[in-house]
Amino acid sequence: ETGVTQTPRHLVMGMTNKKSLKCEQHLGHNAMYWYKQSAKKPLELMFVYNFKEQTENNSVPSRFSPECPNSSHLFLHLHTLQPEDSALYLCASSLYRDISYNEQFFGPGTRLTVL
Amino acid sequence: AQSVTQLDSQVPVFEEAPVELRCNYSSSVSVYLFWYVQYPNQGLQLLLKYLSGSTLVKGINGFEAEFNKSQTSFHLRKPSVHISDTAEYFCAVTITGGGNKLTFGTGTQLKVEL
Repeated sequence: ETGVTQTPRHLVMGMTNKKSLKCEQHLGHNAMYWYKQSAKKPLELMFVYNFKEQTENNSVPSRFSPECPNSSHLFLHLHTLQPEDSALYLCASSLYRDISYNEQFFGPGTRLTVL
Repeated sequence: AQSVTQLDSQVPVFEEAPVELRCNYSSSVSVYLFWYVQYPNQGLQLLLKYLSGSTLVKGINGFEAEFNKSQTSFHLRKPSVHISDTAEYFCAVTITGGGNKLTFGTGTQLKVEL
C-alpha cells in the first residue's frame, strides 16, 4: 500500500448504529487530519493530530470521536449520527513543522450515508 | 481569519480550448495559496502551490496559476484542456507560519466537452 488509504470506501448506517472509519498513511508523516466534504460547501477541517496529540477540534459534535493510536493510523468513531452527517469524509497526512507549510496528502475518502 | 471565494461553481469548456478558474482570497497577513484537483471518487491531489518567489506558478498536467497580491487573486489557467481534466478544482489558503491549517473554497466543477 502506498500513500493514504481509507476503509471502508462506502458506509451506510442507521442513526442508532456505531461504526468506525479507518485511515492509514504510509508516508512517514507525523500529522493526520479528518475533513468533512459536503456538497456545495467548502471542505471542513474536523480534527488535527500532530505527533499523536489532538491539536485541533473545530467544534465537532461529540457523536464524532477521533482516535490516533500512532502516527500512521487515524480512526473516526461514529455513533448516533444524524442524516445531515451524510458526506464524504477525507483523511489527510503531512509532515508537521510549526513555522512552515508542508503538503497534505489525501486519501480517497469514505462516502457515508446516514439513514 | 482567512477566506477563499470561488465564484464559479461550474465551468463548461470544449476540449482544446483555454480555461481560467477564478480564486480570490481574503487575509490580513501573508498567505500561501494552493490549487487541488479532485477526480470522481478520489481524494484531493495538489496541482500547484504558491509559497514565495515568482508569482507565476507551474503545476502538474499543464496547469499554471498567477498570484496577484494587489487583487488578492490566484486564478488557475490551462491553455488547452483535455477531456481528462474534467474534475472538481479547489482553491485553498493558509497563513504563513500557521502550520498546516488549510481553508478551502467551495470548488469549481470543470466539465470538458467534445
